[in-house]
Amino acid sequence: SYALTQPPAVSVSPGQIATITCSGDKLEDKHVSWYQQRPGQSPVLVMYRDDTRPSGIPERFSGSNSGDTATLTISGTQAVDEADYYCQAWASSTLVFGGGTKLTVL
Amino acid sequence: LQLQESGPGLVKPSETLSLTCTVSDDSIRSSGFYWGWVRQSPGKGLEWLGSIFYSGSTYYRPSLTSRLTIEIDPSNRQLSLKLRSVTAADTAVYFCARHGVAELRHFDSWGQGTLVTVSS
Repeated sequence: SYALTQPPAVSVSPGQIATITCSGDKLEDKHVSWYQQRPGQSPVLVMYRDDTRPSGIPERFSGSNSGDTATLTISGTQAVDEADYYCQAWASSTLVFGGGTKLTVL
Repeated sequence: LQLQESGPGLVKPSETLSLTCTVSDDSIRSSGFYWGWVRQSPGKGLEWLGSIFYSGSTYYRPSLTSRLTIEIDPSNRQLSLKLRSVTAADTAVYFCARHGVAELRHFDSWGQGTLVTVSS
C-alpha cells in the first residue's frame, strides 16, 4: 500500500520560515493536499492540488511537489500556526494521510 | 456547508459501531463530491476509512472492507457508517468530511467529529 512519510516534529521561531515535508514514491505524479489541525479541533484544508490555497488561507502558506517530496512552507510563521499538519494524497484507489507533523513555534 | 456526526459514544467490544452524518445542504446530491469517514485514535494521526458517492458507489480502506459499510440517503441529507466486530483499537474520534472527485480528492469540509469509545 502507498505510504506518505512526514517528520514527527518541526520547530520554528516566530517570523521565520517553517518547512514541512511529505515523502512518497513518485509523489510528484499525485496531487497533494495539506491540513492544519489545532488541538481539539477538526482538520482544516490549507493547501490542495500541491500549491493551491483555499479561500481564507493566508498567503504565507505555500506548497510545492517535486520528485518524491511535497513541501508545505509557512513564511513569517506566527504563533497561531502552531498545530499538527497532515499531508494527503489519492493513490491506488485509496485516500492516504501522512503521519502528521507537529509544528512548534517558539 | 456544515456536517454533523451523531451516534453512541460508547460501544461494547464485538458489537457494531453505528454513526450518522447529517449534511446541511444539497451538495450531497451533487456528482461533484464524495462523502467520507475519517477517524483519529487518541493522540494519533488521521486515518481515512471509506467514501461514498451520491449514487451509493463506495470505496473502502482495504484493511476494513470486511467490517465496514457506508451508506447514503441523499433525500434526508445523511450518510452513515457501520463498523462491525469492534475492538479497543477502534476507539477514536470519527469525522465525516466531503471531498471532490478525480484530481480534486481533498477534504474541503469536515464535521466536528464524535468520540467513540469501545469498552465493556
